[in-house]
Amino acid sequence: EVQLVESGGGLVPPGGSLRLSCAASGFIFSGHWMTWVRQAPGKGLEWVANIKQDGSEQYYVDSVKGRFTISRDNVNNSVYLQMNSLRVDDTATYYCARYRRIMPPGYNWLDSWGQGTLVTVSS
Amino acid sequence: QSVLTQPPSVSGAPGQRVTISCTGTNSNIGAGYDVHWYQQLPGTAPKVLVYGNSRRPSDVPDRFSGSKSGTSASLAITGLQAEDEGHYYCQSYDSSLSGSVFGGGTQLTVL
Repeated sequence: EVQLVESGGGLVPPGGSLRLSCAASGFIFSGHWMTWVRQAPGKGLEWVANIKQDGSEQYYVDSVKGRFTISRDNVNNSVYLQMNSLRVDDTATYYCARYRRIMPPGYNWLDSWGQGTLVTVSS
Repeated sequence: QSVLTQPPSVSGAPGQRVTISCTGTNSNIGAGYDVHWYQQLPGTAPKVLVYGNSRRPSDVPDRFSGSKSGTSASLAITGLQAEDEGHYYCQSYDSSLSGSVFGGGTQLTVL
């Protein structure tokens, strides 16, 4: 059974940093693009970042470029999101998700999601 | 403002049919990228309902169907049931943004 379990969320002041982790199990982790998607309280889904199977390519939504870094560890089957210079509008539940096929995200979909981890940026 | 445009809400009585539209541009849906649909029930993570414009995972009832034409896509739900209440999101890829994009979401109410 595919499982994605996020951790690392919490309360952080504006300007602070946080590192989210997502532990994957039940599938060949190194075979899949992975992503982070966030959802502000009461709002819709927003894609945050993608990472290729071998970690050689990363892509970000404009609002987090230069502040967030997505990475992965294919030995420990985990994907991470390092978040620096956090802002109040980064407050959201952050979901880790798996792209179903080996292909790039353009022709791919998110077939497995974690339960999410809440990040609150507030003074 | 989301890159993909969805109506904020739709509603229907049990047993009825509703459709949810998703409008994009020539850098996403119109460029030929696939559209996928997700259902998010209250307090839960999203779940894929339709992928590749019109395909359904094996555990999704055939009451849910998707289609795509030009720069738009739509999700149809027939035989509405109370448990269908929740939020529905379309998703595609945008070449100008080099990333995935979501619609703003549509809240479905079963009257």
